[in-house]
Amino acid sequence: DTAVSQTPKYLVTQMGNDKSIKCEQNLGHDTMYWYKQDSKKFLKIMFSYNNKELIINETVPNRFSPKSPDKAHLNLHINSLELGDSAVYFCASSHRGTGGGGYTFGSGTRLTVV
Amino acid sequence: SQQGEEDPQALSIQEGENATMNCSYKTSINNLQWYRQNSGRGLVHLILIRSNEREKHSGRLRVTLDTSKKSSSLLITASRAADTASYFCATGSLTNQGGKLIFGQGTELSVKP
Repeated sequence: DTAVSQTPKYLVTQMGNDKSIKCEQNLGHDTMYWYKQDSKKFLKIMFSYNNKELIINETVPNRFSPKSPDKAHLNLHINSLELGDSAVYFCASSHRGTGGGGYTFGSGTRLTVV
Repeated sequence: SQQGEEDPQALSIQEGENATMNCSYKTSINNLQWYRQNSGRGLVHLILIRSNEREKHSGRLRVTLDTSKKSSSLLITASRAADTASYFCATGSLTNQGGKLIFGQGTELSVKP
């Protein structure tokens, strides 16, 4: 199936831990994104990579570090997790430029920090 | 920064009725997109309308765009219980690096059988 797949789907961890979320797309898109959705369902972009190059880095704590080993993968590593990091994190992909069409989203990773 | 404001925040209708959701935005856009999110799932792209288009149809969906008023509406005709979901508008701008989309707060639609 062509899709954006992210793992894990659920992640429960203690404050102070370090965790990673992985994302892969097999759609041949050249741009990948990480979005954070808070408890009020507000979606905010965190990062964007185009062909492995970081092109968007919103005001995100530097505890969050994205890594793109190739244009089909974009992982998110979070250091020293805090309670406020609890949210649903979505990976998405598209062709560069929103004029190219819509985004394809993964099913999300629900992160709970306790 | 938040771009889209959606109205209403929640909408409850009976099956078979039409549902209309509105979206307003602040800056110049290249296109506007609508997404659906079922509970506990990712967002699904529904339709894209470009800034030089005024109306677009896709199945039971009709989207309008008024760039002079910086607003868009999504109409779902003959709604079904399966249409129950959150609906988000998102704006794309040529000035945005990498074509990032900025999402509105969403409208929660409930269609009762």
